[in-house]
Amino acid sequence: KAGVTQTPRYLIKTRGQQVTLSCSPISGHRSVSWYQQTPGQGLQFLFEYFSETQRNKGNFPGRFSGRQFSNSRSEMNVSTLELGDSALYLCASSLQLAGSTDTQYFGPGTRLTVL
Amino acid sequence: AQSVTQLGSHVSVSEGALVLLRCNYSSSVPPYLFWYVQYPNQGLQLLLKYTSAATLVKGINGFEAEFKKSETSFHLTKPSAHMSDAAEYFCAVRSDDKIIFGKGTRLHILP
Repeated sequence: KAGVTQTPRYLIKTRGQQVTLSCSPISGHRSVSWYQQTPGQGLQFLFEYFSETQRNKGNFPGRFSGRQFSNSRSEMNVSTLELGDSALYLCASSLQLAGSTDTQYFGPGTRLTVL
Repeated sequence: AQSVTQLGSHVSVSEGALVLLRCNYSSSVPPYLFWYVQYPNQGLQLLLKYTSAATLVKGINGFEAEFKKSETSFHLTKPSAHMSDAAEYFCAVRSDDKIIFGKGTRLHILP
């Protein structure tokens, strides 16, 4: 069974631009969660989508948004990029909601660098 | 809201020695607790999870963790470290339908 895939793996953008990251969950998984990982702040929860609906959201500005498609694939978008948005963005999928005891499976991440 | 604190951002142990990574949680309700491992340039992988069943939880790669309510701890141990255990380890807790991660502990294995 294929794991969680994220594209692209690496991305370089400049301040003010916008970016879209993609996550394909494990087949059959309906929940996709997004996390931002930085050396200073560690792993921070961005949002979770389940059956095309946003079920939970972390403390991030409105520049960060996402969506989920009917095939459970998810995208996250960051508009008006800032230097501080440079991070590893991880997505995780699970059968049930992330808040359950169900195991979350993580993708390898997208490394975003903002210049 | 629940939270976790990992003591020690870096831990070094000799190959073959005991591995002990510390995690304390704060929770007003029985918690669900997790340990994840992250190898360089990879995503996170679940090592084990506590879901209010047995207090001693066995995970993959020889790791285990013991839930101690009186100490609000969920420390991760492995009897004998291997070079391949070098990675970053994250303790996490379920809180408000989200998974909240600790800051992580980088484990170094000395030959």
